[in-house]
Amino acid sequence: GAVVSQHPSRVICKSGTSVKIECRSLDFQATTMFWYRQFPKQSLMLMATSNEGSKATYEQGVEKDKFLINHASLTLSTLTVTSAHPEDSSFYICSARIGQSNQPQHFGDGTRLSIL
Amino acid sequence: AQSVAQPEDQVNVAEGNPLTVKCTYSVSGNPYLFWYVQYPNRGLQFLLKYITGDNLVKGSYGFEAEFNKSQTSFHLKKPSALVSDSALYFCAVRNDRGSTLGRLYFGRGTQLTVWP
Repeated sequence: GAVVSQHPSRVICKSGTSVKIECRSLDFQATTMFWYRQFPKQSLMLMATSNEGSKATYEQGVEKDKFLINHASLTLSTLTVTSAHPEDSSFYICSARIGQSNQPQHFGDGTRLSIL
Repeated sequence: AQSVAQPEDQVNVAEGNPLTVKCTYSVSGNPYLFWYVQYPNRGLQFLLKYITGDNLVKGSYGFEAEFNKSQTSFHLKKPSALVSDSALYFCAVRNDRGSTLGRLYFGRGTQLTVWP
């Protein structure tokens, strides 16, 4: 149980393109979803937290107009990297949590984004 | 403020030997502690958690962790390491106060290598 599906797993695209990444909780309803960015050999950096039906809460230094997050349902959150540039290349990971904050987050398999 | 320290970037151990991956934390209030494992180009997999109760927590794949309040530690252990345990391990913490959004604070990760 508690499976999170993230799609696509890898994206290679030209600079200036907008890229949408989907995160789905397959067998549970996720009241809260999280988006992380991970640089090589580094820890996860939280970008934003989203609750279903409300605006995402972005971490300091993360541009909300650059990284658009939509959490339209209890099983789907999307991250859109708008007008991507090479410095946006990274490994993006989503996670979802069931209910209470003492429950673990369940992670997707990540999306490797490469901007040429 | 919440924080996690994983003092070792790398841990190397021979197969069959016991392994320990260290983690210390700092939180205001009571801690919720988690261990995750990450394989290359994958998301994080939940191993175990401590919320309350017994200080020794047993998790997936034969791993366990001991919560030590006086030392503010939550070291991950396994009695007999396998080559397949080689991966990147993350310790994470959040407290039991404040926002219900449940933000986790991650350590920088420890690369575990088990050699045959």
